[in-house]
Amino acid sequence: NSKVIQTPRYLVKGQGQKAKMRCIPEKGHPVVFWYQQNKNNEFKFLINFQNQEVLQQIDMTEKRFSAECPSNSPCSLEIQSSEAGDSALYLCASSLSNYEQYFGPGTRLTVL
Amino acid sequence: QQKVQQSPESLSVPEGGMASLNCTSSDRNFQYFWWYRQHSGEGPKALMSIFSDGDKKEGRFTAHLNKASLHVSLHIRDSQPSDSALYFCAASEQGTNTGKLTFGDGTVLTVKP
Repeated sequence: NSKVIQTPRYLVKGQGQKAKMRCIPEKGHPVVFWYQQNKNNEFKFLINFQNQEVLQQIDMTEKRFSAECPSNSPCSLEIQSSEAGDSALYLCASSLSNYEQYFGPGTRLTVL
Repeated sequence: QQKVQQSPESLSVPEGGMASLNCTSSDRNFQYFWWYRQHSGEGPKALMSIFSDGDKKEGRFTAHLNKASLHVSLHIRDSQPSDSALYFCAASEQGTNTGKLTFGDGTVLTVKP
């Protein structure tokens, strides 16, 4: 079973509200990824970190998305002003040295 | 255009049968491939990776990669009902632990008892 912990599992927000989700990577894994999986099961890479530093990120959807991985705290992904199109499963994954990405169960965001 | 394409969209096989899933990349920068499986309500879990031409076997699962055609396949022999899930092919430009994955749209596998 994956040891990547994501909270909350379910998140319901109104349009325009902030939505924040957290991820604790597997112990000792220095690389963390965030992906968005929409209702059609399409994946979209959002951002990845090595330790606390951003490695790659997409143009974060008109800057409404922000993410961080502070030292000794969970990583987080926040949507400043949620839109209906943001409704999706947000997956966090972590990786060590064998290239495999270990995924958490995801946070399912519903924007009403 | 989707850079990683999977077929078929769905597949039904009898218990004990062979399931064959296919994946093709349109981007020659993708040289490293994984197969992931996702059960309902869970995150994807890696089944196996394949980076070199030829076959790679792990238990009931065999992956095949043809780098010239950028075609990857996954064959599951002796399929079990517990294999019923969504299967994704994922590709990366980098053979490192920092490379982002590009996923296909998935194949729904149903194994009927």
